[in-house]
Amino acid sequence: QKEVEQNSGPLSVPEGAIASLNCTYSDRGSQSFFWYRQYSGKSPELIMSIYSNGDKEDGRFTAQLNKASQYVSLLIRDSQPSDSATYLCAGSPRTGKLIFGQGTTLQVKP
Amino acid sequence: DVKVTQSSRYLVKRTGEKVFLECVQDMDHENMFWYRQDPGLGLRLIYFSYDVKMKEKGDIPEGYSVSREKKERFSLILESASTNQTSMYLCASSTMDRSNSYEQYFGPGTRLTVT
Repeated sequence: QKEVEQNSGPLSVPEGAIASLNCTYSDRGSQSFFWYRQYSGKSPELIMSIYSNGDKEDGRFTAQLNKASQYVSLLIRDSQPSDSATYLCAGSPRTGKLIFGQGTTLQVKP
Repeated sequence: DVKVTQSSRYLVKRTGEKVFLECVQDMDHENMFWYRQDPGLGLRLIYFSYDVKMKEKGDIPEGYSVSREKKERFSLILESASTNQTSMYLCASSTMDRSNSYEQYFGPGTRLTVT
């Protein structure tokens, strides 16, 4: 079974801190990875995509991919209470489908 | 911006009813997906479609069917609704363009309650 694993949390960080969300995957054939943010009662929203090893930055968000270690992470700098949500990691095994993790709940405390 | 819309945000149906959930996307995406999301179980793929009139079963197709008569529209059908189909239903679409590597965009979701 090709899986994407995430710690369910909750991960609690103070406002202004860096939140670090992590994800591991089992399918070495996966080439692309995505981070979705999901607020309670809402649908997932794509916030970052990463396709190659290294870092990709977009505003306060940085996605990191290490294919050798099969590890993906999302860093959120200067965390805000509005960042409190569940973050879903997903991998693409190039079948057109995505394999989603269970999600990590982030709580940013004022 | 990609826009995926779903026919209802909230729906209440009775056990045994036939239920239609509709999804429309405006980005000319080839791929469309139906998921359900339940607490503790995450997102589970019900069916997906790579093209008009094409469909493939996902992880939990039992009790569901789908229809894709037009590229922009993908319908999920509950043939005879049961209480264990009470859930949040999410539609998504993606392109076949490998440069985007199958980024999926979700609709707002339909919260279905079967009583």
